[in-house]
Amino acid sequence: EVQLSESGGDLVQPGGSLRLSCAASGFIFSNNAMNWVRQAPGKGLEWLSSISGSGGTTYYAGSVKGRFTISRDNSKNTLYLQMTSLRAEDTALYYCAKDYSNGHHLDCWGQGTLVTVSS
Amino acid sequence: DIQMTQSPSTLSASVGDRVTITCRASQSIGSWLAWYQQKPGKAPKLLIYKASSLESGVPSRFSGSGSGTEFTLTISSLQPDDFATYYCQQYNTYLYAFGQGTKLEIK
Repeated sequence: EVQLSESGGDLVQPGGSLRLSCAASGFIFSNNAMNWVRQAPGKGLEWLSSISGSGGTTYYAGSVKGRFTISRDNSKNTLYLQMTSLRAEDTALYYCAKDYSNGHHLDCWGQGTLVTVSS
Repeated sequence: DIQMTQSPSTLSASVGDRVTITCRASQSIGSWLAWYQQKPGKAPKLLIYKASSLESGVPSRFSGSGSGTEFTLTISSLQPDDFATYYCQQYNTYLYAFGQGTKLEIK
């Protein structure tokens, strides 16, 4: 069974940094691109970033480009999102999601980890 | 970047109704569109991919159609479990984008 489990969410002050992790199991991790998607309280889904199976190619939404960095450790079956220069508007539930392949639909999602940016 | 627009934002319907949700892309995305269902407090769940392919385990009352810039999700006969929020997502380009969501409410 494919499972994704996010961790690392926390309360952080504006301007601060945080690293999220997503532990994957049940599939050959390096075969699939992975994504981060967030959902602000009461709002819709916002795609943030994706990374290829090898880790060699990354993509970012304009809202986080230059502030967030996606990475992965295929030896640990773990996806990461390093977030810097955090703003109040980054407050959200952050999901990791597995691509069906590379550049396809998202066929499995974790349960999310909550990031709150507030002083 | 490609923008996705769903309509309506909210839909009130009754059990047994046939409902249709529309998703429009700002430019052609071929058939590279997925639909997701999200219930309160839960992660999104894939329903439809490549515009019209039903994900394994999803009831056949769900169907998708369309190509290019206009797509629809149809639920043929609403069941109590279907009241949720639905999102479309384009993956024609690597800069994925979601629609703003359609909340399906009980009338």
